[in-house]
Order: sequence, then structure tokens, then C-alpha cells
Amino acid sequence: DGGITQSPKYLFRKEGQNVTLSCEQNLNHDAMYWYRQDPGQGLRLIYYSQIVNDFQKGDIAEGYSVSREKKESFPLTVTSAQKNPTAFYLCASTSDRGVTEAFFGQGTRLTVV
Amino acid sequence: AQKVTQAQTEISVVEKEDVTLDCVYETRDTTYYLFWYKQPPSGELVFLIRRNSFDEQNEISGRYSWNFQKSTSSFNFTITASQVVDSAVYFCALNELTGGGNKLTFGTGTQLKVEL
Repeated sequence: DGGITQSPKYLFRKEGQNVTLSCEQNLNHDAMYWYRQDPGQGLRLIYYSQIVNDFQKGDIAEGYSVSREKKESFPLTVTSAQKNPTAFYLCASTSDRGVTEAFFGQGTRLTVV
Repeated sequence: AQKVTQAQTEISVVEKEDVTLDCVYETRDTTYYLFWYKQPPSGELVFLIRRNSFDEQNEISGRYSWNFQKSTSSFNFTITASQVVDSAVYFCALNELTGGGNKLTFGTGTQLKVEL
């Protein structure tokens, strides 16, 4: 079945550590996105990539980094510079054919301990 | 800047009641797209509908219907005869075409609780 797989589902991070969230898609989509969801704030765009080896900052990119070495993969690293990383992170993808709906993964819940 | 407002934070209804979720948007673009997504407790967002700014026809899909009114910048979602399985968070979103990509601006969501 085609879709987006995020792992892990739950992640715990100690203060000062970097952690990487995985996002893989087998939909052959060109564009991929990372959103952050906080209670009462909806989803906010962190980074997006429209093509391999290229990505752009979204609205809240500070403290995060990404890479896009393969079409299928768009990992997100939450660095120690991110002051409030506890949140629910959602990865999404869209095809490149005009304006289409985004397909979402099941998310990763990151907690700082 | 684009903005989507979902003023209803939480709505509780009894099964079989009709319920309308409100969505008001702001954009300077003349061409734009609006979306509704459902987020069940499992977490992933499920696409429900896409509507472009040139198509103001209302749409019905089973128990779901959408009312797009450009004059009031609203794109409201109605569930008829609600069921417990409709319990979820519902998001309205606006597509930002400038700059490329399918970037979405989301509202803050409406938590719908349908009780027996």
C-alpha cells in the first residue's frame, strides 16, 4: 500500500540532544513537508522540499534542519537550539501536478525529558 | 499574510444531530484553494475536500456538505446526522500558491465530540 511512514511514533529527548525524525514515502511524490502541531495552534510549517537536494524554510524553521538526499526520504533533525521541541510532528507529501491534497503520516510525538 | 480562522475550539453534539464547523479565511490571492482535513485520534490527517476559488458550488458527499461563500470568505462544513465515528479534530486550510509548492496555512482546528 502506498503511503507515508513516520518513525518512531514516540520519541523522548534529553535536554541538549539532537534527535532525528524519519519520514519515508512510496507515493512517488516530488514534494515533502514537515509540520509541527501544538495544542490549540493548529499545524505550522517547519520545512518543505519540492525536489531532491533542495529545501526551503517554512514559518518556524529555527532550531530544525532537514535533508533531501532521496526522493522517498525527508528526515527532520530537532537540534538543541530548538527551545521548546515538545510537540507532535507530521510529515506530508504532495505530487507535483498542480494543487493537490497532501498525504500525511501518522506523526511522531516528541517529548523532552 | 494568509490566515485561517476556526473560531469554534470544541463542539459537542448528540448522535444524529447536524453540526456545522465554521471556517473563515483571509488572502490577497485571487486564485487559491481551500481544504478540509479530519484528524482522528490516531493522529494522521485525512483529506476530505479541496475547493478552488473559482468554484463556488456547494458540494455534498454522503453526510458531508460544504458551503463556500466568497463574499464572506467562508468555507463551512456540515455533517448531517452525526455519528460517534465523526468524533475528531477538523482542520480548514488555505493553499499558498505564491512561492511554489502546496504549502498549507491551517486553522487552529475544531474538536468535534459526538456522544451517544
